[in-house]
Amino acid sequence: NAGVTQTPKFRVLKTGQSMTLLCAQDMNHEYMYWYRQDPGMGLRLIHYSVGEGTTAKGEVPDGYNVSRLKKQNFLLGLESAAPSQTSVYFCASSYSSGSSYNSPLHFGNGTRLTVT
Amino acid sequence: GENVEQHPSTLSVQEGDSAVIKCTYSDSASNYFPWYKQELGKRPQLIIDIRSNVGEKKDQRIAVTLNKTAKHFSLHITETQPEDSAVYFCAAIGGGADGLTFGKGTHLIIQP
Repeated sequence: NAGVTQTPKFRVLKTGQSMTLLCAQDMNHEYMYWYRQDPGMGLRLIHYSVGEGTTAKGEVPDGYNVSRLKKQNFLLGLESAAPSQTSVYFCASSYSSGSSYNSPLHFGNGTRLTVT
Repeated sequence: GENVEQHPSTLSVQEGDSAVIKCTYSDSASNYFPWYKQELGKRPQLIIDIRSNVGEKKDQRIAVTLNKTAKHFSLHITETQPEDSAVYFCAAIGGGADGLTFGKGTHLIIQP
């Protein structure tokens, strides 16, 4: 049981390049999230998904796209990378986040992205 | 949406002393409040959580208190040890939203 796995662990991009970050979970969780972490800013929600085939915008969605074609995978795409997207990206999953029965987030190990 | 404020941003305590980190939230419908610990270069890991129908929860040296009227919750660590040094994040989930909203973090430093 690997939990939440993110690939790659590190990546350096030039401005304007594109890339996709992959998140995979083997816990059969319905909900998946992408956060970015910047110094002094905490963790900010980029996009999330409440189930296969669904996605929704979080707090800082501009410049990113996501897809959830399979329940276990959640992809984060950068179509044209900018230096402002230099950050550490964390994927997370949970059983649910509804107000009736919240459950903890399980995080992946993160992807450190540098855009030059 | 939900807004979570966390204080202080840095906290330095002597080993063996207690540490308290405080958070406030804005959405009165929020009902789940976890705390995460993040060591340098690692992922955030849940250390304790509390739901809105409980005022206090304790797990060995760690406790969390919740004041729904004032909309604030706190993390208490007693008998601090060197391995408690890390960044701690509080979080809350709003009544109608999906996804946790995090505070900006507290860097806890345990002085030997």
